[in-house]
Amino acid sequence: EAGVAQSPRYKIIEKRQSVAFWCNPISGHATLYWYQQILGQGPKLLIQFQNNGVVDDSQLPKDRFSAERLKGVDSTLKIQPAKLEDSAVYLCASTITGLEGLQTYFGPGTRLTVL
Amino acid sequence: AQSVTQPDIHITVSEGASLELRCNYSYGATPYLFWYVQSPGQGLQLLLKYFSGDTLVQGIKGFEAEFKRSQSSFNLRKPSVHWSDAAEYFCAVGAPGGGADGLTFGKGTHLIIQP
Repeated sequence: EAGVAQSPRYKIIEKRQSVAFWCNPISGHATLYWYQQILGQGPKLLIQFQNNGVVDDSQLPKDRFSAERLKGVDSTLKIQPAKLEDSAVYLCASTITGLEGLQTYFGPGTRLTVL
Repeated sequence: AQSVTQPDIHITVSEGASLELRCNYSYGATPYLFWYVQSPGQGLQLLLKYFSGDTLVQGIKGFEAEFKRSQSSFNLRKPSVHWSDAAEYFCAVGAPGGGADGLTFGKGTHLIIQP
């Protein structure tokens, strides 16, 4: 079974520039999450999608961050304009609830450096 | 709101010695509880999870964790550590019942293995 795919793996930009990240969840997983992991900290949930609808975006800085999942499969996370403090690894995860309960799978992440 | 506390930022253990990593959570009911491991440059790997039932949970790589409701704790243990266990360990809590069920992570414990 293929895992959660993310691209690019690394991105370096200057502050005030824009950047976008892409995620392809595991096939059949209706729930998709974006997390932000700043160096030395645990991941922090930014947004949760159920199919193509937003379930929770309470921690998404909406003045500069946006995310979409138009067809209920792939998702993109955009930052515009980027700030120095946005330097982090952005993790995408997808979830399915099966016989063993909630199964969450994380992608490898996109490491963003803002200069 | 749920929260997770991992009181130990760093722990150093000799190879072959036993290990216990502490995790305390705050949540109104019985949550879903998880331990993840993250090696440098690697993604998050699930070690084990607790949803219900037996409070002693077995995971991969010889790890186990015990859910103690009275102490709001979910400590991770391993009887004998190997050098390959050196990594960052994250405890996480999730809300059961569907809906907004993104995970809340602790800040992590960095495990160092001494030869």
